[in-house]
Amino acid sequence: GQNIDQPTEMTATEGAIVQINCTYQTSGFNGLFWYQQHAGEAPTFLSYNVLDGLEEKGRFSSFLSRSKGYSYLLLKELQMKDSASYLCAVPNQAGTALIFGKGTTLSVSS
Amino acid sequence: SQTIHQWPATLVQPVGSPLSLECTVEGTSNPNLYWYRQAAGRGLQLLFYSVGIGQISSEVPQNLSASRPQDRQFILSSKKLLLSDSGFYLCAWSRRGTGELFFGEGSRLTVL
Repeated sequence: GQNIDQPTEMTATEGAIVQINCTYQTSGFNGLFWYQQHAGEAPTFLSYNVLDGLEEKGRFSSFLSRSKGYSYLLLKELQMKDSASYLCAVPNQAGTALIFGKGTTLSVSS
Repeated sequence: SQTIHQWPATLVQPVGSPLSLECTVEGTSNPNLYWYRQAAGRGLQLLFYSVGIGQISSEVPQNLSASRPQDRQFILSSKKLLLSDSGFYLCAWSRRGTGELFFGEGSRLTVL
């Protein structure tokens, strides 16, 4: 089956850079997703990686190493509004649904 | 553009009462549909998914059930709620052949 690990909590200050790691073990690999979820709200899509390397999208970047079963989400120039949970997810073995990690709660302080 | 709606947004139910959460998608055809639950302090747990009308896959055995009476309608039900059913329920859809999920606003259920 699919297994995903990510840190439970992280803290950072405004303007800083933070890296949120995710390691996974999967039966087959069909890409890795990152979602952002503010408290009390639904998750929203941030990024998708299927090939090794770094994908940059504004202040957010996502990295994937398939050989290491490892991904990270890099957030630059942190803002207070970046305080949220960040969820790492991979497709299930059949490719019909996403399996989510427990999420990393990021707290940004001034 | 595609939209997804689920309701009700919030509900408080006594133990043993029934449950019905409804979700509809607009602006697309033949979507994959999903129900997830997020309990306090826990991750998103996949409950059910559907690749077509009347086709339901259950991921976790429990006292919940799902139905898809129409292409863009997905319903989550229970005949008798348990305390452990409390949580944040999220409906989602995806296009066939892609993994990206689009979530509804969520329904917060408290069972007392």
